Amino acid sequence: DVKVTQSSRYLVKRTGEKVFLECVQDMDHENMFWYRQDPGLGLRLIYFSYDVKMKEKGDIPEGYSVSREKKERFSLILESASTNQTSMYLCASVPEDLSGLGIQYFGAGTRLSVL
Amino acid sequence: AQRVTQPEKLLSVFKGAPVELKCNYSYSGSPELFWYVQYSRQRLQLLLRHISRESIKGFTADLNKGETSFHLKKPFAQEEDSAMYYCALRPYGQNFVFGPGTRLSVLP
Repeated sequence: DVKVTQSSRYLVKRTGEKVFLECVQDMDHENMFWYRQDPGLGLRLIYFSYDVKMKEKGDIPEGYSVSREKKERFSLILESASTNQTSMYLCASVPEDLSGLGIQYFGAGTRLSVL
Repeated sequence: AQRVTQPEKLLSVFKGAPVELKCNYSYSGSPELFWYVQYSRQRLQLLLRHISRESIKGFTADLNKGETSFHLKKPFAQEEDSAMYYCALRPYGQNFVFGPGTRLSVLP
């Protein structure tokens, strides 16, 4: 059973703080994704990675960066948190070969509040 | 640009009534389409995908290329079906595009 673990369920930070959101998957998946989930907007892709040390911008990368130093871990970084980054953040992992089953396995999410 | 629309933010039906959650997409190629579901306090998970032509938990979805739709249907709704439903498109070789979601509420 695939497990995608996000380190925190809830986080409260102050404007300007540097924030790290961690995601770990235990199925040796090549591909990992960070989304934010907002009411009425669905899931929007922030960044993704197809391999270690590889990263690609998604649809809304501004204000975010990522790190993939190990295959199982994909970190989302908010360099200087702002109130408009208050959201639910979802991590997902996908087995290699994006033309395959297409099943994304999601973490439980981190609800971030920036005050 | 590829896009997925779900016209209803909230859909309320009574238990035992039929339910249809609408999804339309815009994509010129051959689409891969999915429905994801998020039950209360649970993580987002795959419900079904069109390529499998399967029925999961009594739900089915048919791809209509002419109408560019992938509506999710169930003949008799159950209270445990109450959840947030997302339709998703994966253009060939690209990342997923999710719709805004529809919250289904099944009333007793």
